[in-house]
This record gives sequence, structure tokens and C-alpha cells, in this order.
Amino acid sequence: GDSVTQMEGPVTLSEEAFLTINCTYTATGYPSLFWYVQYPGEGLQLLLKATKADDKGSNKGFEATYRKETTSFHLEKGSVQVSDSAVYFCALSYNDMRFGAGTRLTVKP
Amino acid sequence: KAGVTQTPRYLIKTRGQQVTLSCSPISGHRSVSWYQQTPGQGLQFLFEYFSETQRNKGNFPGRFSGRQFSNSRSEMNVSTLELGDSALYLCASSPGRVQETQYFGPGTRLLVL
Repeated sequence: GDSVTQMEGPVTLSEEAFLTINCTYTATGYPSLFWYVQYPGEGLQLLLKATKADDKGSNKGFEATYRKETTSFHLEKGSVQVSDSAVYFCALSYNDMRFGAGTRLTVKP
Repeated sequence: KAGVTQTPRYLIKTRGQQVTLSCSPISGHRSVSWYQQTPGQGLQFLFEYFSETQRNKGNFPGRFSGRQFSNSRSEMNVSTLELGDSALYLCASSPGRVQETQYFGPGTRLLVL
């Protein structure tokens, strides 16, 4: 069945460091791909999405490109801030929504 | 627009009891999905309702059930609670098509003692 595999972490970075969180997927069709972020004590918030191959989603300095040939949707940010500390979930949606295990990011000043 | 709201936010129950959680979707959204989030299992899909009909169902026992009303509000019920049902229950709404973005509520944290 459809599934998402993402780097589990935890990931600890210093402020202004470069961030990559890997995400790969398995799907029988052509899903939409998402990154969600969860701050402590809150629900999930949509960070960015892409609906077809080669689409690039971007928001708040985060980017991810839908790569059909490598079935990947890696999340990147050039310079992280302390306020980016959260749990990040990669997800795909085709017949239903499937989430990765989540990656906890901690950014230290 | 107001976001997805869930009530109650926190709940403590004892084993064997039953519980009902409520979710109000974003106005105009017709699809409501429920998820269980635990540290061990992560985010697991429970079920999705669209126009009062269950459209998809995850791999949970029959103790977990739900329904959706004509105004798209949804309720989730868990009967005969077990300790392992302690979790954050998240509700998400979307306009309708399966591949559309889901918007999540803050969750209901259930503790079963």
C-alpha cells in the first residue's frame, strides 16, 4: 500500500544552519505530497504542498520538490531559526492521507 | 474563516468507559478525517466522513466509530476504553476531494486510567 518514509531524527542544528529532512514515498498512483509541522501542544499545520511531478512547494523559507523519478519530497531550508523547532511530518494523499513518522527538529541559538 | 475546532481539549476517563469527541470543520468543508497520535505509533488514520457517509476507514477495532451530521460536524466514539487508547485525537477537514489539503484542529488529549 501507499506509504511514506522520512528521516526520524531527532535533528539538532544551530541557528542559521542548513536543514534537510529526507522523505521518500511509495504510491500506486500519482499522489499529492505535503509537509506539515506540529508545534508543542498543537495540531498539525500545513507547511507546503505539491500536487504533481516537478512542482516545488515553498513557504516561510522552506522548500520541497516533488521528484517522481526518485519518489522523494525532501524538505530544505537554507537558514533555520530557533522558532523552527517543531516536529515535521511528510505526507501523501491519494485514496487517503498517509503520514511519515515525523522528525523532531531542535534549533539551538 | 474560523479553523477546525475540537471539544473537549482534554479528557480523563477510566478503563471500560466510553467517550465521545466532537469536531467542527471549517465552514464549507464537507470532509472530516480523524487520526490517533501516540508516541509509539505516530499518526494513524482512523476514518474519514464525507457528506455523512464513511468514505475511508483505517485499521482500528470496532470500538472506534464515528458519524457526521448534515452540517458536516463530526463525532468520534470510543467504547470500552483501554489504557492503550490514551492519545491525542486529531480531526482534520478538507473541502471534499481526497487529495486536497487537510486542515487540522488542535486535538483532544485523552488519558485513560
